[in-house]
Amino acid sequence: EVLLVESGGGLVQPGGSLRLSCAATGFTFSDFWMYWVRQSPGKGLEWLANIKEDGSKKQYVDSVKGRCTVSRDNAKRSLFLQLSSLRDEDTAVYYCVRAVWGPGSLWGQGTLVTVSS
Amino acid sequence: DVVMTQSPLSLPVTLGQPASISCRSSQSLVHSDGNTYLNWFQQRPGQSPRRLIYKVSSWDSGVPDRFSGSGSGSDFTLKISRVEAEDVGVYYCMQATHWPYTFGQGTKLEIK
Repeated sequence: EVLLVESGGGLVQPGGSLRLSCAATGFTFSDFWMYWVRQSPGKGLEWLANIKEDGSKKQYVDSVKGRCTVSRDNAKRSLFLQLSSLRDEDTAVYYCVRAVWGPGSLWGQGTLVTVSS
Repeated sequence: DVVMTQSPLSLPVTLGQPASISCRSSQSLVHSDGNTYLNWFQQRPGQSPRRLIYKVSSWDSGVPDRFSGSGSGSDFTLKISRVEAEDVGVYYCMQATHWPYTFGQGTKLEIK
């Protein structure tokens, strides 16, 4: 089955950090650019980061630039998002996403991150 | 950043009737490669977003043909020819031409 499964969410204190993971199954992970998107009641849907198939190119949205790192391990078919200096406004459901430009769009079920003291 | 503006934000529709959602971008979505990367997503209650349409008018796999996308440049439309009960949810346009990619605010479709 073709799936993306996120993990690593939970309750984090302001100023803390977290590492989200996304496990891919059922397709050749290394063939695809991958993305992280989050959804919060306040800001709606927001694209956070992308990473090229071989990891050689990465882009970040301004709201997380400097405190966010996207990475991947193609051998383990996994995508990661490291986010630090967490703020209340980082509270959201975080999704990993495959395929934005062409066919084969796929979203995970999401993992909830709550930033609160 | 490219601002995506949808209308209406709320769309009550009678079952079997057509529906239409407009999406306008603050700048042209024509990419330097000649493609226009305008997508439409559906998000049913409690579910992840699901892409319906990519590159303005191409259907994703499994999407009913009652959904159609059209438009060019900075003006786009999603049409549902006959609304069914399973179409209830929020619809988003999204541009993937300019980084950061951006979504519209969403249009909530409900059955009258």
